[in-house]
Amino acid sequence: NAGVMQNPRHLVRRRGQEARLRCSPMKGHSHVYWYRQLPEEGLKFMVYLQKENIIDESGMPKERFSAEFPKEGPSILRIQQVVRGDSAAYFCASSHPGNTEAFFGQGTRLTVV
Amino acid sequence: GQQVMQIPQYQHVQEGEDFTTYCNSSTTLSNIQWYKQRPGGHPVFLIQLVKSGEVKKQKRLTFQFGEAKKNSSLHITATQTTDVGTYFCADRASKIIFGSGTRLSIRP
Repeated sequence: NAGVMQNPRHLVRRRGQEARLRCSPMKGHSHVYWYRQLPEEGLKFMVYLQKENIIDESGMPKERFSAEFPKEGPSILRIQQVVRGDSAAYFCASSHPGNTEAFFGQGTRLTVV
Repeated sequence: GQQVMQIPQYQHVQEGEDFTTYCNSSTTLSNIQWYKQRPGGHPVFLIQLVKSGEVKKQKRLTFQFGEAKKNSSLHITATQTTDVGTYFCADRASKIIFGSGTRLSIRP
């Protein structure tokens, strides 16, 4: 029973390029959450999605960032025109409906050079 | 917006000593969850508390939820080197809002 899968594990982008981070939730999970974590810091909520719907994107920057969770395929976090400040670890988590435990992927470490 | 604060930010203890981290919220928490993140790793769910005043134990770990559902604590008895990591509380409603975390390091 595969856990939450994130890829790539490490991603290097030059300033101005686009970054696409993928997250495949655990089997049977319909809820996906994305978090950003800077070194030595906490987990900052970005967005909460269900299949084909964005439920809460209150933590997403207004520009350059977008997320989707299509009917088929993984959830995607997209960062356009990356800047150095976007360098961070991005974690995805998934859960069943309801206030249940969330399972995290191993994260994508994004480095912008 | 809602803030979930944890203290202390860091705790360095001798192996065998006890450790406690405290979680406080400016608003009433829906449910409280606790996660552990090892250095270089990802958060792993430990437990969820739902009821006011609830206490749960997992071996050497004791979790409490405050009567007013605005605070929680995690206490580890007789720490071991495997306890090293950052402990996060989280308000579990429709989304999950994490506390600032407490990083535990241990002297063997």
